Amino acid sequence: AQSVAQPEDQVNVAEGNPLTVKCTYSVSGNPYLFWYVQYPNRGLQFLLKYITGDNLVKGSYGFEAEFNKSQTSFHLKKPSALVSDSALYFCAVRDGHSGYALNFGKGTSLLVTP
Amino acid sequence: DSGVTQTPKHLITATGQRVTLRCSPRSGDLSVYWYQQSLDQGLQFLIQYYNGEERAKGNILERFSAQQFPDLHSELNLSSLELGDSALYFCASSPWGGGSLDTEAFFGQGTRLTVV
Repeated sequence: AQSVAQPEDQVNVAEGNPLTVKCTYSVSGNPYLFWYVQYPNRGLQFLLKYITGDNLVKGSYGFEAEFNKSQTSFHLKKPSALVSDSALYFCAVRDGHSGYALNFGKGTSLLVTP
Repeated sequence: DSGVTQTPKHLITATGQRVTLRCSPRSGDLSVYWYQQSLDQGLQFLIQYYNGEERAKGNILERFSAQQFPDLHSELNLSSLELGDSALYFCASSPWGGGSLDTEAFFGQGTRLTVV
C-alpha cells in the first residue's frame, strides 16, 4: 500500500521565520501527494497537492511544498510563519488499492510563537 | 466551508449502544469516504462508497457498517460500542469513484463520539 511518514510530532518556529514540515513517502508508481491542515475542532482543509510537473507546488495561505523524487520527500514550507498557522498538518498519499482513499501520516503539530 | 455536512457534531452514548452518523457530500460529489481520528491511531480510512455502492474498505471493524442512499448522503452505523470507539469521525467527498488520483477530497467538520 502507498504510505507517507511524518517524522516530527511537533515543530516549533518563531513568527516571521521560515517553517518546514517534513513528509516522506513510499509508493509504487507515480506518487499523488497532498497536504491538509486541521485547526482545533475543525475538519481537514486542503492546502496543496503534487500530481506531476514542477517540483515546487504552491498552495493556499502562502504554503508551498517541494517534491523530491530522489529523497522520496514532499516537505511543506512557508517563507514566513504566522501565529495563525499553528495547527495540525497532515501529509497524505492517494492509494489506488483502497478505492483511491487518502492514506494520511500521523500528523505534525505546528506551533508558531510570537 | 467545504460543503460537506456532518451531523450530529457531538454524540455521547453508553457502551453497548448503537449510533448513526450522517454525512451529506458536496453537491455533485458521488464518492463518500469515512475516516476515524483518534489520538493513538491517527486518521484511519474506514470505508468508501461511490454512487450508492461500496467501493473500498479500510480498517473498519465488523461492528461498523455504512451505506450511501440514492440522494448520495451516507450514514455510518456503529454498534456494540466500546470505550475505545470514542473518536472523531470524518466524512469526506470527492466527485469521482476511481480511476483518477489527482483530485483532492473535501472533509466535513466531523462528529465527535464519546462512549461512556
